[in-house]
Amino acid sequence: EAQVTQNPRYLITVTGKKLTVTCSQNMNHEYMSWYRQDPGLGLRQIYYSMNVEVTDKGDVPEGYKVSRKEKRNFPLILESPSPNQTSLYFCASSTHRVDYGYTFGSGTRLTVV
Amino acid sequence: KNQVEQSPQSLIILEGKNCTLQCNYTVSPFSNLRWYKQDTGRGPVSLTIMTFSENTKSNGRYTATLDADTKQSSLHITASQLSDSASYICVVSASNDYKLSFGAGTTVTVRA
Repeated sequence: EAQVTQNPRYLITVTGKKLTVTCSQNMNHEYMSWYRQDPGLGLRQIYYSMNVEVTDKGDVPEGYKVSRKEKRNFPLILESPSPNQTSLYFCASSTHRVDYGYTFGSGTRLTVV
Repeated sequence: KNQVEQSPQSLIILEGKNCTLQCNYTVSPFSNLRWYKQDTGRGPVSLTIMTFSENTKSNGRYTATLDADTKQSSLHITASQLSDSASYICVVSASNDYKLSFGAGTTVTVRA
């Protein structure tokens, strides 16, 4: 089954404790992206990657890092999480033609206390 | 700046009734517009895609319309069911950019 898999689904952590949210896709997609979703604000892009070893900032990249060492994986790293990073996070992938549509993961609900 | 605005922010309808959601955009040059359905706590799933030349497209009880001249789209839900309770997100793609422009979504609640 074609899918984007995120882990974990739920995570509660403390301020400053480094964490990684994993994302993996099995569709051989070139394009991958991370979004955060907050009430009333919709989906905002954090980082995206157009292919292996190619990453770029989205609209809200502060406090996040990503890497794309393999085509299928695109982890999101929070080096020093803060409470304002409490949010619902989605990973998404697409073919090189982004307007062909995204496949989204099921989301990771992160709470930073 | 490319923007997508959706209205209403939320609505409540009775099971079996119809409803219409609106999406206005300023994205240019326009490539396509998608409507996504997002169930609570889940990732968005594509319902329809509209290109410049298409005016209407249906997916079961969902019908999307597009007026590229006025830069408006609507999503009509016919004979609503409890399973239609979700957030509906309008996403517009520009033909000269890899980025997508997302609306904030309309939350639909269907009550028995």
